[in-house]
Amino acid sequence: QVQLLESGGHLVRPGGSLRLSCAASGFTFSDYFMAWVRQAPGKGLEWLSYIGDTGTPTYYGDSVRGRFTVSRDNAKNSLYLQMDSLRAEDTAIYYCARTPGNGWLDYWGQGTLVTVSS
Amino acid sequence: DIVMTQSPDSLTVSLGERAAINCKSSQSVLYSSDNKNYLAWYQRKPGQPPKLLIYWASTRESGVPDRFSGSGSGTDFTLTISSLQAEDAAVYYCQQYYNTRHTFGQGTKLEIK
Repeated sequence: QVQLLESGGHLVRPGGSLRLSCAASGFTFSDYFMAWVRQAPGKGLEWLSYIGDTGTPTYYGDSVRGRFTVSRDNAKNSLYLQMDSLRAEDTAIYYCARTPGNGWLDYWGQGTLVTVSS
Repeated sequence: DIVMTQSPDSLTVSLGERAAINCKSSQSVLYSSDNKNYLAWYQRKPGQPPKLLIYWASTRESGVPDRFSGSGSGTDFTLTISSLQAEDAAVYYCQQYYNTRHTFGQGTKLEIK
């Protein structure tokens, strides 16, 4: 069965960096686009980024463009999100999700918590 | 970016009754080349990741009960849940995937009485 497992969430200081990982299993990872979505405390879902099946193209939401970088390693069935210049408002649960290519998200991980605080 | 606005923000509906959640996009998400609406609906329960319900505005995801249906076109969409069950209590989100920066609505909290 399809499984997505995020890791790397941590407490980090403002201005710091963090790299999230998402381990995929149960499907041919290299056949699918992948996405990152987050939910801040008390807020709704926010789409952050997605990446093509080969690593391109990549797209970002306005709030993270220039600070976050999405990448993948198809040999390791893994998706990554490098987060730099972190701000308090980046505090959220971060989810990776699979997209069949058109954009809807058919499988989601359980999420990993990122807390940005001094 | 395309702004997605859901209404109402919350609603309470009796068990067995029908619930309707609206989603309006700031520009059309209907692609003229394929005549498809690039819109999805998700259900989010506490402690769980979101679950895909509907894509292409009206195509039910495999395994989703047929009491869930999606309708609408262009800029106005509706998720209808007929004959509400207790387990349908959740927050529901619409999402557009029309352009390269996908966006979600703010969510609608559905409570069952």
